[in-house]
Amino acid sequence: AQSVTQLGSHVSVSEGALVLLRCNYSSSVPPYLFWYVQYPNQGLQLLLKYTSAATLVKGINGFEAEFKKSETSFHLTKPSAHMSDAAEYFCAVSDSSGTYKYIFGTGTRLKVLA
Amino acid sequence: DSGVTQTPKHLITATGQRVTLRCSPRSGDLSVYWYQQSLDQGLQFLIQYYNGEERAKGNILERFSAQQFPDLHSELNLSSLELGDSALYFCASSVDLTGTEAFFGQGTRLTVV
Repeated sequence: AQSVTQLGSHVSVSEGALVLLRCNYSSSVPPYLFWYVQYPNQGLQLLLKYTSAATLVKGINGFEAEFKKSETSFHLTKPSAHMSDAAEYFCAVSDSSGTYKYIFGTGTRLKVLA
Repeated sequence: DSGVTQTPKHLITATGQRVTLRCSPRSGDLSVYWYQQSLDQGLQFLIQYYNGEERAKGNILERFSAQQFPDLHSELNLSSLELGDSALYFCASSVDLTGTEAFFGQGTRLTVV
């Protein structure tokens, strides 16, 4: 069965510092992987997705993620954190068994310090 | 704006009651997913419909049911509500079953008192 593990339920960075949010997946087939962001009292917004094209995926708001098959990882990065990046981030894998439902990680809450 | 519309945005009801949550998918999307987000369980898949037919079930309680209508909107019915059913319920839609992208609504926040 596919699964996603997000390391670190809370991450704090200073404004202007590198953001690194970790995601490892488990899948027996090439996965589709996603990062979503959820601002307080909001829905889920897609940041970026990996669908077996380029391994380095660029998303919105300056975020990017690199698919590393050897490490079964899909970590999310942003070179310079902004106060507006404070939110909860979810990594997800698309279930390849036929339903393509999303299996979400437990989320990482990013705090940006002034 | 994802194009997925969920109503109502907020719902407060008493234990034992029944509520209906509504989802209108993006225009042209045939697949609808329902998810529950709670503090203790995180984001959990409940059920999926594709073009009116139930496609997959996840961790959905027997007290919960859903359907997708011919116009492709979907409803999630929650009955005999308990305090633990308080959560944010999301609907997502996708155009097909390739799994390449799903669009999420803003959610319905259900509070059971």
